[in-house]
Amino acid sequence: DAGITQSPRYKITETGRQVTLMCHQTWSHSYMFWYRQDLGHGLRLIYYSAAADITDKGEVPDGYVVSRSKTENFPLTLESATRSQTSVYFCASSEGGSPLHFGNGTRLTVT
Amino acid sequence: GQQVMQIPQYQHVQEGEDFTTYCNSSTTLSNIQWYKQRPGGHPVFLIQLVKSGEVKKQKRLTFQFGEAKKNSSLHITATQTTDVGTYFCAAASNTNAGKSTFGDGTTLTVKP
Repeated sequence: DAGITQSPRYKITETGRQVTLMCHQTWSHSYMFWYRQDLGHGLRLIYYSAAADITDKGEVPDGYVVSRSKTENFPLTLESATRSQTSVYFCASSEGGSPLHFGNGTRLTVT
Repeated sequence: GQQVMQIPQYQHVQEGEDFTTYCNSSTTLSNIQWYKQRPGGHPVFLIQLVKSGEVKKQKRLTFQFGEAKKNSSLHITATQTTDVGTYFCAAASNTNAGKSTFGDGTTLTVKP
């Protein structure tokens, strides 16, 4: 979907470094989500946001920080990356209860 | 928290065979959504079911929502190689408006 973009598409970082994954949507959707996808675990919710300045923890929030100062942006920060955070990260947006629109994902490798 | 079980985890079929994936929840759901993810791609919305006992069709795909709104299924008739991918259900409960829980997905491979 052209309306939600993630950057970068690929990222390699070292253990202990801080890294931020960006997500931008043009639909003005209220809700935004961050999921991680690992083999055997499907999509696991990290954090979500119901509106600007409102964020809440999902299923696996430890080691991650989010912010939502503007409706259209929802960056995800790994404060001190660990190898267990190697994953594919998907951002999504929706109007509460309506279908999710996913970005193309960021493939993150922590060495 | 809410859990959604999806089975089977993997399904390998011969082209032309049918395929079904099932999604089960221990709690009553307000709605259920189905997504398809092609290899290397991102999940793409297929359909949303809201009403008890609802059945919807999209060409060879048939989606059902259980009478008790605790389970759902996706059935593909006469699979084609273009059906390859992982199919996810995502369930929203009445108490978690706006937030959906995904099943672990069923990965379908089709042998030509």
